[in-house]
Amino acid sequence: GENVEQHPSTLSVQEGDSAVIKCTYSDSASNYFPWYKQELGKRPQLIIDIRSNVGEKKDQRIAVTLNKTAKHFSLHITETQPEDSAVYFCAASMAAAGNKLTFGGGTRVLVKP
Amino acid sequence: NAGVTQTPKFQVLKTGQSMTLQCAQDMNHEYMSWYRQDPGMGLRLIHYSVGAGITDQGEVPNGYNVSRSTTEDFPLRLLSAAPSQTSVYFCASSPTKRGGSYNEQFFGPGTRLTVL
Repeated sequence: GENVEQHPSTLSVQEGDSAVIKCTYSDSASNYFPWYKQELGKRPQLIIDIRSNVGEKKDQRIAVTLNKTAKHFSLHITETQPEDSAVYFCAASMAAAGNKLTFGGGTRVLVKP
Repeated sequence: NAGVTQTPKFQVLKTGQSMTLQCAQDMNHEYMSWYRQDPGMGLRLIHYSVGAGITDQGEVPNGYNVSRSTTEDFPLRLLSAAPSQTSVYFCASSPTKRGGSYNEQFFGPGTRLTVL
């Protein structure tokens, strides 16, 4: 089955700096890659996703890039703010698996004011 | 819409006890799933269902049963609780993938389970 690895496990940045989280996946058939944000004690919520026919997608201060050849994708957060502090999860899914998602281990991001 | 709801929010069990975690959604979503979340291990899929009457195993199904008698409800049963099942459990739902497009999974608020 699919295996998703996520790095780093923790990330501390100064407010206003950028944060980058990287994920690799094992199955070349995977073609959907969402990112979820989970605040302390809350449920995961989708913040951005990308499909395999797209190399990059942006939404305000967040962007995701995908390298299908290398089987890795990354989340970029620019101009970080204290409210960006949370745990971020990447995930992967393939067409044959329907809506099944395989998640990475998560990255705890701390934005220091 | 209430979205995805889960009960209870917290539960403490003794080893060997059984219980059912409840999950319901009012969005008429066909796909529902259960995940467990352990520190440093992300979310792992326990069981999922693509519609009423259809269920299948995920990555970590041992010790858990599910059923899907209606579109709205997807309960998770712990048959004989063990300390290794101490975790936070999330239920999620989404519309079934149609026409090649993927649909966002909506998560419930979670149930924090402790097994002593």
